[in-house]
Amino acid sequence: GAGVSQSPSNKVTEKGKDVELRCDPISGHTALYWYRQSLGQGLEFLIYFQGNSAPDKSGLPSDRFSAERTGGSVSTLTIQRTQQEDSAVYLCASSLFSRETQYFGPGTRLLVL
Amino acid sequence: SQQGEEDPQALSIQEGENATMNCSYKTSINNLQWYRQNSGRGLVHLILIRSNEREKHSGRLRVTLDTSKKSSSLLITASRAADTASYFCATAPSGSARQLTFGSGTQLTVLP
Repeated sequence: GAGVSQSPSNKVTEKGKDVELRCDPISGHTALYWYRQSLGQGLEFLIYFQGNSAPDKSGLPSDRFSAERTGGSVSTLTIQRTQQEDSAVYLCASSLFSRETQYFGPGTRLLVL
Repeated sequence: SQQGEEDPQALSIQEGENATMNCSYKTSINNLQWYRQNSGRGLVHLILIRSNEREKHSGRLRVTLDTSKKSSSLLITASRAADTASYFCATAPSGSARQLTFGSGTQLTVLP
C-alpha cells in the first residue's frame, strides 16, 4: 500500500508568518510521530499521537508549535510566528503499534527567511 | 545525556570492505532499531532487535545487542557505493514511554 506522505515538500516563509505542515500516515497505523531534524543532526522528537489517547506533546519546543490529528488519520503540525531557528526538515512517521517499526515520510524542508 | 549515541560520527571505507557502526544507550529498552537516511530526507527502517535477542541478520546486515553493556553494533558486509548514507540507531524504552529516541547518526561513505 501507499507509504507516509507529507506536504508540502518544501516551504519558504517569512519570519513571523504561520505555517502548516501535513502528514498522511499509512492507513491503519495507530501511532503517528513528528520529528524535527536540523542540518547534519539527529532527529528531535516533537509530538506523538496514539489512537484516541491524549497526545504526548513533551517534545514541542515552544507554545508556537501545535499539532492535531483528525479522525485518527491525517495530522497537521502548525508553527505560529515562525522564527529563523525553526528552519529544519520536519519528518512524520507512523507505526502499527507504538515502539515498533516506524515508517517515515519524505519530510518537509522549512526555510524561514 | 542522550540515549542512542552512535560511534563513529563518520566512517569512510572502500567498496567491498565491511563497515561497523556502534550505538550506546543509557536506559533499559524494549527494542533497538537501526535506520538509514539518504540526503536528509525520510528514514528507512533496516532492522529491529528486541531486548531478549543477541544477534539478528538481514541480507548483508548483522546487528548485535549487548544489554549488559547497553550497546549495539551494525555490521554491513561487502559494502557498496549505494550504502553511502547516514545510519541511526533508535531505542524504544521499556516502561510507559512510547516514543523512540534517535541518536545523532553515523555518516558512512563508501568509496568506489
